[in-house]
Amino acid sequence: GAVVSQHPSWVICKSGTSVKIECRSLDFQATTMFWYRQFPKQSLMLMATSNEGSKATYEQGVEKDKFLINHASLTLSTLTVTSAHPEDSSFYICSARVASEQETQYFGPGTRLLVL
Amino acid sequence: QKEVEQDPGPLSVPEGAIVSLNCTYSNSAFQYFMWYRQYSRKGPELLMYTYSSGNKEDGRFTAQVDKSSKYISLFIRDSQPSDSATYLCAMRAESEKLVFGKGTKLTVNP
Repeated sequence: GAVVSQHPSWVICKSGTSVKIECRSLDFQATTMFWYRQFPKQSLMLMATSNEGSKATYEQGVEKDKFLINHASLTLSTLTVTSAHPEDSSFYICSARVASEQETQYFGPGTRLLVL
Repeated sequence: QKEVEQDPGPLSVPEGAIVSLNCTYSNSAFQYFMWYRQYSRKGPELLMYTYSSGNKEDGRFTAQVDKSSKYISLFIRDSQPSDSATYLCAMRAESEKLVFGKGTKLTVNP
C-alpha cells in the first residue's frame, strides 16, 4: 500500500521558535496533500489542503501566516509552525491522495509537537 | 449538531467477541464513507472504504452504510487483542473535505 512518512516524529521547542515538519509520499506521487491537527481525545481537524505547485487552501480559523505550507514536489510537503506557542502543542498529521485513487487518503505517522 | 457523531467509548470486549462501532451524520450530501484505525501515537490507517449505501466485507471486517438513516457501522468478527485501537469514521461529499468522527477507543482483552 501507499506509504507516507513524516519527519520528525516528535519535537520539543521553545516558545517563539519555528518548527518545520516534512511529509513525504515514499512510493507514489501525491498531487494533493492534507495537513491535520489532532488534540488529545479529539478528532482530526483539517488545517489546509496543499496541491503541488500552487498555494495551499486553509480552513476557516487557521492562520496561513502562522502555518506555512509548501508543496514543492509531488512527493514532499512541509508545514512550518512559525513563532510557536504552547497552545500550538498538538499532534500534526499529514495525508496524501494518490492521483489515481481520488477517494482515499493515506496518512503519515504524525508529528507530536510540544512547545514549552 | 455536529456533522459526524461517534461515541468515544471506551469500549472493552473479550477476545473473540463481535464488535459493533457506529457513527451518525447529518449531512445528506455525504457519499463516501471510510473507517480508519489509529494506534496510540500513530497516524490513521485506512480499513474500509464504501461508496453510497450497502455492505462491504473484508476479512473479519464488515462496513455498512444506511444513507436513509444517516448511519454507518463497522463490525469486527472474532476480535483480537491486536484490534485494540481507536477507530475513526470519516466521510465526505463529492469533491469536499473529509470529516472525521471523534473516534471510539476499543480494547480487546485476551
